[in-house]
Amino acid sequence: KNQVEQSPQSLIILEGKNCTLQCNYTVSPFSNLRWYKQDTGRGPVSLTIMTFSENTKSNGRYTATLDADTKQSSLHITASQLSDSASYICVVIFTGGGNKLTFGTGTQLKVEL
Amino acid sequence: KAGVTQTPRYLIKTRGQQVTLSCSPISGHRSVSWYQQTPGQGLQFLFEYFSETQRNKGNFPGRFSGRQFSNSRSEMNVSTLELGDSALYLCASGKAGDGEQYFGPGTRLTVT
Repeated sequence: KNQVEQSPQSLIILEGKNCTLQCNYTVSPFSNLRWYKQDTGRGPVSLTIMTFSENTKSNGRYTATLDADTKQSSLHITASQLSDSASYICVVIFTGGGNKLTFGTGTQLKVEL
Repeated sequence: KAGVTQTPRYLIKTRGQQVTLSCSPISGHRSVSWYQQTPGQGLQFLFEYFSETQRNKGNFPGRFSGRQFSNSRSEMNVSTLELGDSALYLCASGKAGDGEQYFGPGTRLTVT
């Protein structure tokens, strides 16, 4: 079964600190891996999209990395802000039998003063 | 440019009833996908429509169905509602099915 697992499940950090969220997947073959940010009560917003051949992709203070050999991805947040408090979801697009999306259960990040 | 809109935003139904949710994609987007989000299961893919045709389907029972109109607006229908169908239903639109997707705010469905 194709799966996407994220860790940690939740995380609390102080404003200004950096943090790294992890995503391990067993989906194969895949076309791309995405990281989304979802604020409470709102739909997810795309942060990064990486194809299987890309190693890193940045979007402002967000940097995603991908290691296709170990089937791991990480999302690094630099100089965290209170507005970074949200759920971060890793999504892998499975290409076997159509473009089906497999979602991780997310990491709940809380940034405190 | 207006974003993805979903109606209604909140809905309460009783078991056994059926419900129809609506999604209007961003202008120019022909792909519309539907997702179910619950605290226990997270986000799960329901189905994707492109140019009025269902292109992909997730692992949901036949009670869940959808359609897309010529103006790319899409509806999702759930028949014979069960308590477990209580969830946030999200719609996302895109120019192509495997590219960037833009999510709407969702419809919160509560089944009692």
